Amino acid sequence: EVQLLESGGNLVQPGGSLRLSCEASGFTFSSYAMTWVRQAPGKGLEWVSDISGSGETTHYADSVKGRFTISRDNSKNTLYVQMNSLRADDTAVYYCAKDRVAGRTINHYFDFWGQGTLVTVSS
Amino acid sequence: DFVMTQSPDSLAVSLGERATINCKSSRSVLYSFNNKNYLAWYQQKPGQPPKLLISWASTRESGVPDRFSGSGSGTDFTLTISSLQAEDVAVYFCQQFYGTPPYTFGQGTKLEIK
Repeated sequence: EVQLLESGGNLVQPGGSLRLSCEASGFTFSSYAMTWVRQAPGKGLEWVSDISGSGETTHYADSVKGRFTISRDNSKNTLYVQMNSLRADDTAVYYCAKDRVAGRTINHYFDFWGQGTLVTVSS
Repeated sequence: DFVMTQSPDSLAVSLGERATINCKSSRSVLYSFNNKNYLAWYQQKPGQPPKLLISWASTRESGVPDRFSGSGSGTDFTLTISSLQAEDVAVYFCQQFYGTPPYTFGQGTKLEIK
């Protein structure tokens, strides 16, 4: 059974940093690209960043480029996002999501999602 | 970037009746090389993450009831629930996954029981 478990969400002040983790199980983690998607309270879904199975290819939304860094440790079956210079509009539930198809570096859509972790940026 | 616009924003349908949700892309998501539309539909119930219902505009995921169907091509797409059940109350999102990121979502359509 595929499971994705996010952690690391917290209340942080504007300008602060946070690292989120997503621990995966139930599939061959290194074979699948992974993505972070966020959802502000009461709002829609926003694609944030993705990383290929090998970790060599990454992409970022313009809204987080230069502030967020996605990474993965395939030996630990874990996905990360390092979030720096946080702003109030980064407040959201952050989901990690697994690509539906193995081996792709683009064209991602998602068949499994974690339950999400809440990041609140406020003074 | 692609802009995905759903209509309506909210919808109330009686149990057993048809529900129709539309999604319009600012650019075509049809890739002529393989004649596939790079469009997915998700269902999100309160307090839960999204669930993949349909990919490639019309391919239902395993386990998804056949009352859910997707149609359309190019820039205009529709998610249809043929006979609304109480458990279908949710917010529905379309997502384009054409080419390189960002892979944008529609703003969502909230479906309720009338």
